[in-house]
Amino acid sequence: EPEVTQTPSHQVTQMGQEVILRCVPISNHLYFYWYRQILGQKVEFLVSFYNNEISEKSEIFDDQFSVERPDGSNFTLKIRSTKLEDSAMYFCASSDRARTDTQYFGPGTRLTVL
Amino acid sequence: AQSVTQPDIHITVSEGASLELRCNYSYGATPYLFWYVQSPGQGLQLLLKYFSGDTLVQGIKGFEAEFKRSQSSFNLRKPSVHWSDAAEYFCAVITSGTYKYIFGTGTRLKVLA
Repeated sequence: EPEVTQTPSHQVTQMGQEVILRCVPISNHLYFYWYRQILGQKVEFLVSFYNNEISEKSEIFDDQFSVERPDGSNFTLKIRSTKLEDSAMYFCASSDRARTDTQYFGPGTRLTVL
Repeated sequence: AQSVTQPDIHITVSEGASLELRCNYSYGATPYLFWYVQSPGQGLQLLLKYFSGDTLVQGIKGFEAEFKRSQSSFNLRKPSVHWSDAAEYFCAVITSGTYKYIFGTGTRLKVLA
């Protein structure tokens, strides 16, 4: 069964450093998403991406964040200058069609900012 | 603002016992409703979803959920829990005009042998 994959599984970085989290969505999917879950809190939406542009973003997704689909398979989340409060589990998801379709989630990348 | 509430943070049941996990949402119209499960080290796996039609939906692993419009609820049930069901369960909704899931805080299920 096709699945969403994410690398790395765990990333440790120093405050102020840039990080790039990578995702490979399911191959025939058209919509891509990032969510995050701070330890002990709920899963929160960050951004959705379709046709090479952001279709929706939350208030969390400020100028420090960017997303890109650099080639036909990868979908990346970049945090330009990490803060302590960016420490969280980051989930990538993809779906075949628009919002009524199921989103399939990857296993997550745990980001720890020191 | 739309919200999803899962009132039970932790639930412990014995293997073979029945299970009900509660989910309530706050939204003016009927959203699209989902239940996901997260096992340790795993991603979020879809258990079942409700868009319209029959209010009792069947999912994988023997789970079912019932949508009750009058109560704004979408509770997850399983008649007989297995030890492998121990995990965290998330209720989520998508509402009109948006692509984003709104998640509840999750319910962590512990199963006693």
